[in-house]
Order: sequence, then C-alpha cells, then structure tokens
Amino acid sequence: EPEVTQTPSHQVTQMGQEVILRCVPISNHLYFYWYRQILGQKVEFLVSFYNNEISEKSEIFDDQFSVERPDGSNFTLKIRSTKLEDSAMYFCASSEDRFGYTFGSGTRLTVV
Amino acid sequence: SQQGEEDPQALSIQEGENATMNCSYKTSINNLQWYRQNSGRGLVHLILIRSNEREKHSGRLRVTLDTSKKSSSLLITASRAADTASYFCATIAQGGAQKLVFGQGTRLTINP
Repeated sequence: EPEVTQTPSHQVTQMGQEVILRCVPISNHLYFYWYRQILGQKVEFLVSFYNNEISEKSEIFDDQFSVERPDGSNFTLKIRSTKLEDSAMYFCASSEDRFGYTFGSGTRLTVV
Repeated sequence: SQQGEEDPQALSIQEGENATMNCSYKTSINNLQWYRQNSGRGLVHLILIRSNEREKHSGRLRVTLDTSKKSSSLLITASRAADTASYFCATIAQGGAQKLVFGQGTRLTINP
C-alpha cells in the first residue's frame, strides 16, 4: 500500500536554529498538508498546499514557517528560527481528493 | 471552533468487551474520519463516513453518524490488547475547507 514517508523520524535542534522537515507524499496525490501535535494535546492543522501554492493556513503558521515542493516529489516544512514551543510531533499528509488522507509516521522535533 | 468534544477522555475495558467512543462537532461537515494513534506514533486512518451516510462497518469497527445531533460514535467489537491506543475523530467542514479538525481523543486501554 502506498505510504507517505517522513524524515527524519526524530530531530533535536537548538533554539534559534533552522530546521527542515521532509516528506514524500504519495505520488498521484495532489493535496499536501502539515499538522502538528504537541505532546499530550490534539492534532492541529498548520497548512495545506495545492497546485504549488498554499491554499489554507492556520494562525499557528506564522512567518517563521514556510513550505515548499522543491522537486515534484518532496514536500518540506521549514521553521526558520525554532522556539522551545515548536517542540512537537509534525505530521505530513497527502490526499488525492482532499477528503481522504494518508498521514506519514511523523517527525518528533525537540527544541533545546 | 469546528470541533467539539470526544468522550470519554479515557476508557479502560477487559479484552473481549466492546468499546464505544463518542465524538461531537459544531459545524456542517462534508465527512468525519476516525484515526488511531499508538503512543507517540503516527496517525492511522480507520474509517471515513460521509455526511449522507448513517453507518459504516470495517471489520470489527462500526461507525455511526447523526448529523442532526452533530455526533458520531466508534464501536470496536471484541476488543484485543492490540487495540490499546488513542482514538481521534476529525472532521472536514462543508464548503471549500480542506483541513481536518481533530478532537482531543479517547485514550483506550484494553486489559488482558
């Protein structure tokens, strides 16, 4: 069964550093998403991406965040200057029809 | 906000018993989805029910949707220890929205 692949599975970074989280969506999917889950809390929407542009973003997704689909297969989330409160599990997801999702297994980001 | 509550927040039952989890939401939806998350791991899609459907089955899972009450339930029959996980409902609103809005989840523990 096709999968969404996320790398790395765990990343530790110092506060103020830039991080890039990587995702390879399912190849025939057109809609791409990032979500995050702070430990013990619910999963929160960050951003959706379609046709090479952001289609919707949450208030969490401020100027520190950006997304890119650099080469037609990867989908990346960049956090420019990480804060302690950015520590969370970040999930990538893709969808063929924007209704049924497939999630990756997540990247656990720890900011120290 | 779009999402309401899930209840119970935690449920502990004996192996072999049935587990029922409930979810409420606030807005008109296109569909409602249930996900499972093992501790600290990724989100596994279980079942999607559209707003014009009332009940759906998949193996030992049964999902109902009552749009007049804006609520859904997930029933797991003949529970197994491997069903121990957190279960989340998530909705996609009617109209152009693309994001999934998650509930807080129910932590299910199956005791052997």
